[in-house]
Amino acid sequence: GQQLNQSPQSMFIQEGEDVSMNCTSSSIFNTWLWYKQDPGEGPVLLIALYKAGELTSNGRLTAQFGITRKDSFLNISASIPSDVGIYFCAGYGGSQGNLIFGKGTKLSVKP
Amino acid sequence: DGGITQSPKYLFRKEGQNVTLSCEQNLNHDAMYWYRQDPGQGLRLIYYSQIVNDFQKGDIAEGYSVSREKKESFPLTVTSAQKNPTAFYLCASSPPGGISNQPQHFGDGTRLSIL
Repeated sequence: GQQLNQSPQSMFIQEGEDVSMNCTSSSIFNTWLWYKQDPGEGPVLLIALYKAGELTSNGRLTAQFGITRKDSFLNISASIPSDVGIYFCAGYGGSQGNLIFGKGTKLSVKP
Repeated sequence: DGGITQSPKYLFRKEGQNVTLSCEQNLNHDAMYWYRQDPGQGLRLIYYSQIVNDFQKGDIAEGYSVSREKKESFPLTVTSAQKNPTAFYLCASSPPGGISNQPQHFGDGTRLSIL
């Protein structure tokens, strides 16, 4: 079945640094979604991307839908302590209707 | 406030016992979903429902059952046949217009443990 490879698995950064994470797929995706999950809570939608090449921002977050439709990245600028959590990419492929999730990137920030 | 409510937050199951996790939404969403999350893993789909009185198996449906008698409610039963039920369970819903391409919105989860 379709799989998403999300990297890195975890990262430690200094407060104020920029962060970048990405997801790649073995097949074409029609929609990319980025979620953030805090401990003990459900994922919260950050950004939704619907078109190849689309670049969308939400505050300090920016995500892009790759031109090949097989990848997406999420950037966080000027990280702060509340950015800590697990970030998931997810996408809808062309061959099936179910949402496919990456395994997450765990972000830790040193104050 | 519109949203998805899961209850209870924590649940304990004894050997041989069935337990039911509740999921209610007031977003007027047609589609609802149940996922299982294990540490260090992505979300795995258990069951989903696109419309009242209809539901489909996901990738890991064995040992689970669901019902969809009302649009607002999609309870999940973890049966005694599920031998490794300890996990974080997440319920989600998505807007009308079909399940493909619509962002899913999640509840705050139920953590199930074995006694």
